[in-house]
Amino acid sequence: SQQGEEDPQALSIQEGENATMNCSYKTSINNLQWYRQNSGRGLVHLILIRSNEREKHSGRLRVTLDTSKKSSSLLITASRAADTASYFCATDVMGNTPLVFGKGTRLSVIA
Amino acid sequence: DAGVIQSPRHEVTEMGQEVTLRCKPISGHDYLFWYRQTMMRGLELLIYFNNNVPIDDSGMPEDRFSAKMPNASFSTLKIQPSEPRDSAVYFCASSFLYSIHPAYGYTFGSGTRLTVV
Repeated sequence: SQQGEEDPQALSIQEGENATMNCSYKTSINNLQWYRQNSGRGLVHLILIRSNEREKHSGRLRVTLDTSKKSSSLLITASRAADTASYFCATDVMGNTPLVFGKGTRLSVIA
Repeated sequence: DAGVIQSPRHEVTEMGQEVTLRCKPISGHDYLFWYRQTMMRGLELLIYFNNNVPIDDSGMPEDRFSAKMPNASFSTLKIQPSEPRDSAVYFCASSFLYSIHPAYGYTFGSGTRLTVV
């Protein structure tokens, strides 16, 4: 079963706007990661946030983590057409287990 | 490094045939993962290896699926016999030493799109 669930399933915005994607998970985690997948390609690691962190930035990406609500958000600021992709959150459940991925959010950025 | 290399990129086969998917992980990574991606089920972990040893294969759907890692630079996923419901994109990923949850995340290959007709 899926540990993480992204919301919305699909998002369409204009270039220059901000895109926000959310991820909810079920059990306690060690860290949460976000990945991007372009059409027909493999997943690419974007950012990792540890369970004791609340916010992290990387370029135009901002990730927040609320462990009390078991949720995370990924914000992409000033979006570009090249940001069009699917975005996945992935969690590692407390303990020695591999990443479990959600089903992703499909982001379309219209030029 | 060229990244995680998977072959073939596309495979079309007839039901009942044997299919072998191949993966070359990043040199120095000591964990290797096989995932399957479908629209319905998303990304599912099939099996993973640590230092060439299979750690957990509970995600392998049936006995028709088998995976090997004979050395640190090569792994195979075999389906025999293949069925139409095996149609999916199969990804191989690798990660660094010391932890299966490294700061740098997993590095994925480009995947093999398998179609069983």
